[in-house]
Amino acid sequence: GQQLNQSPQSMFIQEGEDVSMNCTSSSIFNTWLWYKQDPGEGPVLLIALYKAGELTSNGRLTAQFGITRKDSFLNISASIPSDVGIYFCAGLSGGGADGLTFGKGTHLIIQP
Amino acid sequence: DADVTQTPRNRITKTGKRIMLECSQTKGHDRMYWYRQDPGLGLRLIYYSFDVKDINKGEISDGYSVSRQAQAKFSLSLESAIPNQTALYFCATGRGDNNEQFFGPGTRLTVL
Repeated sequence: GQQLNQSPQSMFIQEGEDVSMNCTSSSIFNTWLWYKQDPGEGPVLLIALYKAGELTSNGRLTAQFGITRKDSFLNISASIPSDVGIYFCAGLSGGGADGLTFGKGTHLIIQP
Repeated sequence: DADVTQTPRNRITKTGKRIMLECSQTKGHDRMYWYRQDPGLGLRLIYYSFDVKDINKGEISDGYSVSRQAQAKFSLSLESAIPNQTALYFCATGRGDNNEQFFGPGTRLTVL
């Protein structure tokens, strides 16, 4: 099946630093979604990307849909303590009816 | 009130028991999904449904069955639970006009 390679697996950063994570695949996706999961909760949608090359922001978060449609990145600027959590990329290759293919997640840890 | 609810939130059961996990949504979405999450892994699709009469297998459907009782309800059953089905289970909903999916809070299932 399809696979998404998400990196890094974990990040230890200082509060105020910028964060960057990405996902790559050997398959083409029509949609890229970025989710955040807090402990004991379900993933929450952060950003949705629908077009190759698209760059979308949501507050301090910015994500881009790669030109080749095989990759996406998520940046977080000026990290704050509540940014701690696991971030997942997810791709959709079908016409919207299929389930998402998820990366394995990036665990973001902010050091005081 | 939560848009996607799951019951129970936690369940401990024994090998061989039949288990049903319930999902309800008030978002009015046509599409519903069941995913499984294991430690260190992303979410993997078990089953999905476009509407009440439609059921489709996902990546890891073996050992599971589903029922779409109404547009707003989608249940997942483990006919004879086994220990390697211990995991977090998430229900999600989606609309037909875009590819965004919205997740419930999850059910933590432990099979002893």
